[in-house]
Amino acid sequence: DARVTQTPRHKVTEMGQEVTMRCQPILGHNTVFWYRQTMMQGLELLAYFRNRAPLDDSGMPKDRFSAEMPDATLATLKIQPSEPRDSAVYFCASGLDQISRTGQNSPLHFGNGTRLTVT
Amino acid sequence: KQEVTQIPAALSVPEGENLVLNCSFTDSAIYNLQWFRQDPGKGLTSLLLIQSSQREQTSGRLNASLDKSSGRSTLYIAASQPGDSATYLCAEQGGTNFGNEKLTFGTGTRLTIIP
Repeated sequence: DARVTQTPRHKVTEMGQEVTMRCQPILGHNTVFWYRQTMMQGLELLAYFRNRAPLDDSGMPKDRFSAEMPDATLATLKIQPSEPRDSAVYFCASGLDQISRTGQNSPLHFGNGTRLTVT
Repeated sequence: KQEVTQIPAALSVPEGENLVLNCSFTDSAIYNLQWFRQDPGKGLTSLLLIQSSQREQTSGRLNASLDKSSGRSTLYIAASQPGDSATYLCAEQGGTNFGNEKLTFGTGTRLTIIP
């Protein structure tokens, strides 16, 4: 059963430290998304990639957040330096965009998230 | 900015009852609408996806409808079970050329099925 894998599941760190979250999308999927979930804001899109190319990262604080896809099997989200307000659950999701071939999307598949606590 | 609203925020019903969850959206150029389920401490699981050209989708005891003209979608759950207890989120994708781009999520309805 194919699934999106995220590591670590939990991360507690002190303010100012660097945090790196990793995601392994489902093999064959060509879109990858990073979302942040908080009680106050719900799910917010931070960044997404299509065929490993970043399409939009306007949801990220650019001075401290960065997202990359070194290869098709790995997506990373980095925060440097981290702040207490970054505490949230960070989700990675992957999907197969096949609009041009079939005229339809496939549903997004989400990982179980990384729960980040910055003290 | 597109908005997706889900009311109520929480709902409790006795086991066995049929129920409807509501979702409204402001995007007049909606491309598709998806319903997800989220269990505590878990990610989101896609339940149903309705393309803008469709009116409804069914999967087992779940039926989702889409009315673009009124900006509304409903998720109907038949014969509810305690295992249906979870948070249900709807998400819309606006009309773009990019496919699975920028899902805008509602804040969810937390459903509790009382045994």
